[in-house]
Amino acid sequence: QQQVKQSPQSLIVQKGGIPIINCAYENTAFDYFPWYQQFPGKGPALLIAIRPDVSEKKEGRFTISFNKSAKQFSLHIMDSQPGDSATYFCAARAGGGSEKLVFGKGTKLTVNP
Amino acid sequence: DTAVSQTPKYLVTQMGNDKSIKCEQNLGHDTMYWYKQDSKKFLKIMFSYNNKELIINETVPNRFSPKSPDKAHLNLHINSLELGDSAVYFCASSQSGQGFGEKLFFGSGTQLSVL
Repeated sequence: QQQVKQSPQSLIVQKGGIPIINCAYENTAFDYFPWYQQFPGKGPALLIAIRPDVSEKKEGRFTISFNKSAKQFSLHIMDSQPGDSATYFCAARAGGGSEKLVFGKGTKLTVNP
Repeated sequence: DTAVSQTPKYLVTQMGNDKSIKCEQNLGHDTMYWYKQDSKKFLKIMFSYNNKELIINETVPNRFSPKSPDKAHLNLHINSLELGDSAVYFCASSQSGQGFGEKLFFGSGTQLSVL
Protein backbone atom coordinates (compact mmCIF):
# COMPACT_ATOMS: atom_id res chain seq x y z
CA GLN A 1 0.00 0.00 0.00
CA GLN A 2 1.51 3.24 -1.13
CA GLN A 3 1.31 5.98 1.45
CA VAL A 4 2.51 8.84 -0.74
CA LYS A 5 1.23 9.04 -4.30
CA GLN A 6 3.34 11.03 -6.73
CA SER A 7 2.57 12.23 -10.25
CA PRO A 8 3.46 12.47 -13.03
CA GLN A 9 5.86 9.59 -13.51
CA SER A 10 7.82 11.61 -16.06
CA LEU A 11 7.85 15.19 -17.23
CA ILE A 12 9.54 16.97 -20.11
CA VAL A 13 9.78 20.75 -20.24
CA GLN A 14 11.72 23.34 -22.16
CA LYS A 15 14.38 25.45 -20.50
CA GLY A 16 12.72 28.27 -18.59
CA GLY A 17 9.51 26.32 -18.08
CA ILE A 18 7.93 25.66 -14.68
CA PRO A 19 7.57 21.92 -14.05
CA ILE A 20 5.15 20.98 -11.29
CA ILE A 21 5.25 17.66 -9.48
CA ASN A 22 2.37 16.63 -7.25
CA CYS A 23 2.07 14.38 -4.23
CA ALA A 24 -0.86 13.25 -2.13
CA TYR A 25 -1.03 11.43 1.17
CA GLU A 26 -3.64 9.89 3.45
CA ASN A 27 -1.91 9.56 6.81
CA THR A 28 -2.72 12.64 8.90
CA ALA A 29 0.09 11.70 11.27
CA PHE A 30 2.63 12.84 8.69
CA ASP A 31 4.25 16.06 9.89
CA TYR A 32 7.26 16.54 7.64
CA PHE A 33 7.35 16.58 3.85
CA PRO A 34 10.71 16.72 2.07
CA TRP A 35 11.62 16.58 -1.57
CA TYR A 36 14.72 14.73 -2.69
CA GLN A 37 16.60 15.12 -5.96
CA GLN A 38 18.50 12.23 -7.50
CA PHE A 39 20.94 12.38 -10.39
CA PRO A 40 21.87 9.19 -12.29
CA GLY A 41 24.39 7.09 -10.40
CA LYS A 42 24.02 9.14 -7.21
CA GLY A 43 22.06 8.86 -4.02
CA PRO A 44 19.07 11.13 -3.38
CA ALA A 45 19.85 14.50 -1.81
CA LEU A 46 17.50 16.71 0.17
CA LEU A 47 16.28 19.62 -1.91
CA ILE A 48 13.66 21.38 0.18
CA ALA A 49 11.20 20.44 2.93
CA ILE A 50 8.04 21.78 4.53
CA ARG A 51 5.95 21.25 7.64
CA PRO A 52 2.14 21.38 7.55
CA ASP A 53 1.92 24.61 9.53
CA VAL A 54 2.93 26.65 6.46
CA SER A 55 1.35 26.69 3.01
CA GLU A 56 4.42 27.55 0.99
CA LYS A 57 8.17 27.40 1.23
CA LYS A 58 10.62 28.82 -1.25
CA GLU A 59 14.33 28.17 -1.61
CA GLY A 60 15.91 29.69 -4.66
CA ARG A 61 14.06 28.46 -7.74
CA PHE A 62 12.33 25.65 -5.83
CA THR A 63 8.95 26.14 -4.14
CA ILE A 64 6.80 23.72 -2.19
CA SER A 65 3.08 24.43 -2.02
CA PHE A 66 1.22 22.62 0.73
CA ASN A 67 -2.54 22.12 1.05
CA LYS A 68 -3.25 20.52 4.42
CA SER A 69 -7.00 20.15 3.95
CA ALA A 70 -6.55 18.40 0.61
CA LYS A 71 -3.56 16.42 1.91
CA GLN A 72 -1.55 17.40 -1.12
CA PHE A 73 1.76 19.10 -1.73
CA SER A 74 3.67 20.00 -4.83
CA LEU A 75 7.09 21.07 -6.04
CA HIS A 76 7.47 23.93 -8.52
CA ILE A 77 10.76 24.65 -10.26
CA MET A 78 10.98 28.18 -11.57
CA ASP A 79 13.04 29.00 -14.66
CA SER A 80 14.03 25.35 -15.05
CA GLN A 81 17.47 24.56 -16.44
CA PRO A 82 18.90 21.48 -18.17
CA GLY A 83 20.94 20.89 -14.98
CA ASP A 84 17.66 20.33 -13.13
CA SER A 85 17.12 17.14 -15.14
CA ALA A 86 16.92 14.46 -12.46
CA THR A 87 14.47 12.23 -10.65
CA TYR A 88 12.51 13.96 -7.91
CA PHE A 89 10.99 12.17 -4.95
CA CYS A 90 8.47 13.50 -2.51
CA ALA A 91 8.41 11.91 0.92
CA ALA A 92 6.62 12.09 4.23
CA ARG A 93 7.40 11.22 7.81
CA ALA A 94 5.11 10.55 10.69
CA GLY A 95 5.64 12.47 13.89
CA GLY A 96 6.18 11.06 17.35
CA GLY A 97 9.87 10.45 16.92
CA SER A 98 9.53 8.15 13.95
CA GLU A 99 12.63 8.09 11.77
CA LYS A 100 10.83 6.40 8.90
CA LEU A 101 10.54 8.34 5.64
CA VAL A 102 8.03 7.08 3.12
CA PHE A 103 8.86 8.00 -0.47
CA GLY A 104 6.71 8.59 -3.52
CA LYS A 105 7.57 6.65 -6.66
CA GLY A 106 9.54 9.46 -8.22
CA THR A 107 9.22 11.77 -11.21
CA LYS A 108 11.83 11.79 -13.92
CA LEU A 109 12.22 15.38 -15.08
CA THR A 110 13.90 16.26 -18.35
CA VAL A 111 14.58 19.91 -19.13
CA ASN A 112 15.43 20.40 -22.78
CA PRO A 113 17.81 23.23 -23.80
CA ASP B 1 35.80 13.47 2.32
CA THR B 2 32.72 11.46 1.44
CA ALA B 3 30.03 11.82 4.11
CA VAL B 4 28.34 8.44 3.59
CA SER B 5 30.41 5.89 1.76
CA GLN B 6 29.37 2.42 0.79
CA THR B 7 31.29 -0.40 -0.84
CA PRO B 8 31.29 -1.95 -3.28
CA LYS B 9 29.66 0.32 -5.87
CA TYR B 10 28.86 -2.63 -8.11
CA LEU B 11 28.26 -6.22 -7.11
CA VAL B 12 27.60 -8.95 -9.66
CA THR B 13 27.03 -12.43 -8.29
CA GLN B 14 25.33 -15.74 -8.88
CA MET B 15 22.06 -16.87 -7.37
CA GLY B 16 22.52 -18.65 -4.08
CA ASN B 17 25.67 -16.78 -3.09
CA ASP B 18 26.10 -14.76 0.11
CA LYS B 19 27.34 -11.18 -0.14
CA SER B 20 27.88 -8.13 2.07
CA ILE B 21 27.67 -4.40 1.52
CA LYS B 22 29.50 -2.06 3.86
CA CYS B 23 28.56 1.46 4.86
CA GLU B 24 30.38 4.10 6.86
CA GLN B 25 29.42 7.67 7.72
CA ASN B 26 31.75 10.37 9.02
CA LEU B 27 29.05 12.89 9.89
CA GLY B 28 28.78 11.92 13.54
CA HIS B 29 25.15 10.90 13.05
CA ASP B 30 23.52 8.42 15.38
CA THR B 31 21.01 6.86 12.97
CA MET B 32 21.72 4.82 9.87
CA TYR B 33 19.47 3.20 7.29
CA TRP B 34 19.35 0.80 4.41
CA TYR B 35 17.02 1.63 1.53
CA LYS B 36 16.32 -0.49 -1.55
CA GLN B 37 15.66 1.14 -4.93
CA ASP B 38 14.12 -1.18 -7.47
CA SER B 39 14.33 -1.01 -11.26
CA LYS B 40 11.42 1.44 -11.32
CA LYS B 41 13.29 3.78 -8.98
CA PHE B 42 10.97 3.10 -6.05
CA LEU B 43 12.80 3.76 -2.76
CA LYS B 44 11.79 1.67 0.21
CA ILE B 45 13.24 1.55 3.69
CA MET B 46 14.56 -1.80 4.85
CA PHE B 47 16.22 -1.18 8.19
CA SER B 48 17.19 1.60 10.55
CA TYR B 49 19.63 1.59 13.45
CA ASN B 50 19.96 4.19 16.17
CA ASN B 51 23.14 4.00 18.21
CA LYS B 52 23.67 0.39 17.10
CA GLU B 53 20.12 -0.57 18.06
CA LEU B 54 17.63 -1.80 15.45
CA ILE B 55 14.62 0.55 15.41
CA ILE B 56 13.02 -0.08 12.03
CA ASN B 57 12.75 -3.49 10.46
CA GLU B 58 10.39 -3.53 7.51
CA THR B 59 9.01 -6.74 6.06
CA VAL B 60 12.30 -7.85 4.60
CA PRO B 61 13.18 -11.55 4.09
CA ASN B 62 15.34 -12.83 6.93
CA ARG B 63 18.02 -13.58 4.34
CA PHE B 64 18.88 -9.90 4.85
CA SER B 65 20.74 -9.24 8.07
CA PRO B 66 22.01 -5.80 9.01
CA LYS B 67 24.83 -5.38 11.49
CA SER B 68 25.97 -2.20 13.19
CA PRO B 69 29.31 -2.63 14.96
CA ASP B 70 29.27 1.04 15.99
CA LYS B 71 27.15 4.05 15.21
CA ALA B 72 29.34 5.04 12.24
CA HIS B 73 28.96 1.72 10.45
CA LEU B 74 26.02 -0.27 9.17
CA ASN B 75 26.64 -3.33 7.04
CA LEU B 76 24.15 -5.44 5.14
CA HIS B 77 24.65 -9.16 4.67
CA ILE B 78 22.48 -11.06 2.22
CA ASN B 79 22.30 -14.84 2.24
CA SER B 80 21.18 -17.12 -0.58
CA LEU B 81 20.81 -14.34 -3.11
CA GLU B 82 17.81 -14.46 -5.45
CA LEU B 83 17.14 -12.83 -8.82
CA GLY B 84 14.61 -10.50 -7.18
CA ASP B 85 17.29 -9.07 -4.92
CA SER B 86 18.78 -7.24 -7.90
CA ALA B 87 18.43 -3.53 -7.09
CA VAL B 88 20.38 -0.53 -5.94
CA TYR B 89 20.92 -0.50 -2.18
CA PHE B 90 21.43 2.84 -0.50
CA CYS B 91 22.87 3.48 2.89
CA ALA B 92 21.84 6.72 4.60
CA SER B 93 22.38 8.48 7.88
CA SER B 94 20.73 11.20 9.94
CA GLN B 95 20.93 12.78 13.36
CA SER B 96 17.97 12.01 15.58
CA GLY B 97 16.25 14.57 17.73
CA GLN B 98 13.96 17.50 17.22
CA GLY B 99 14.85 19.40 14.09
CA PHE B 100 17.54 16.95 13.08
CA GLY B 101 16.05 13.61 12.23
CA GLU B 102 14.51 14.61 8.99
CA LYS B 103 17.48 15.18 6.73
CA LEU B 104 18.86 11.99 5.33
CA PHE B 105 22.32 11.88 3.81
CA PHE B 106 22.55 9.10 1.24
CA GLY B 107 25.53 7.19 -0.02
CA SER B 108 25.97 6.77 -3.78
CA GLY B 109 24.50 3.29 -3.79
CA THR B 110 25.53 -0.30 -4.47
CA GLN B 111 24.13 -1.78 -7.64
CA LEU B 112 23.55 -5.47 -6.98
CA SER B 113 23.00 -7.74 -9.96
CA VAL B 114 22.09 -11.36 -9.29
CA LEU B 115 22.56 -13.64 -12.29
